[in-house]
Amino acid sequence: EPEVTQTPSHQVTQMGQEVILRCVPISNHLYFYWYRQILGQKVEFLVSFYNNEISEKSEIFDDQFSVERPDGSNFTLKIRSTKLEDSAMYFCASRSTGRPDFGNGTRLTVT
Amino acid sequence: AQTVTQSQPEMSVQEAETVTLSCTYDTSENNYYLFWYKQPPSRQMILVIRQEAYKQQNATENRFSVNFQKAAKSFSLKISDSQLGDTAMYFCAFMKGNGGSQGNLIFGKGTKLSVKP
Repeated sequence: EPEVTQTPSHQVTQMGQEVILRCVPISNHLYFYWYRQILGQKVEFLVSFYNNEISEKSEIFDDQFSVERPDGSNFTLKIRSTKLEDSAMYFCASRSTGRPDFGNGTRLTVT
Repeated sequence: AQTVTQSQPEMSVQEAETVTLSCTYDTSENNYYLFWYKQPPSRQMILVIRQEAYKQQNATENRFSVNFQKAAKSFSLKISDSQLGDTAMYFCAFMKGNGGSQGNLIFGKGTKLSVKP
């Protein structure tokens, strides 16, 4: 069964550094999402992406964040200058018309 | 704006027993989907069951079933014959049903379920 793939599974970075989290959505899916889950808290929507542009974003998704689909298969989330509070699990999801399928997440630790 | 409320932060159940997790939501939409996701300690997000709001029949997936009360905006999950592997965090989630690019999920805060031997 096709699945959403995220890399890396765990990334450690220093405060102020840029990070890029990568996702390969399911190939025939049209809608792509990033979610964040701070440890012990609920899963929060960050951004949705369709037709090569952002379709919706939450208050969390400020100027430090950006998304890209550079080559028709990858879907990336970039955090320009990481803060300690960016430490969280980041989930990518994709869907066609039905339920969203989630990747296994990238655990980001900012030190 | 839509909200999802899970009022039980933690629950426990004996193996082989039945447990019900509660979820209520608030929306002015008429078309939407509701989901239950399971998150084990590995932190994967695993879809347990989904319900389309236009369907009156409650969804069922093996040992998992829902009690969907549209008028009351309630969407509870029943787990029958609980197994040790059911131990996990369970999240209720809402998605607008017009689909399209606004199909992002709104999650509740989760219920931590422990199945005891």
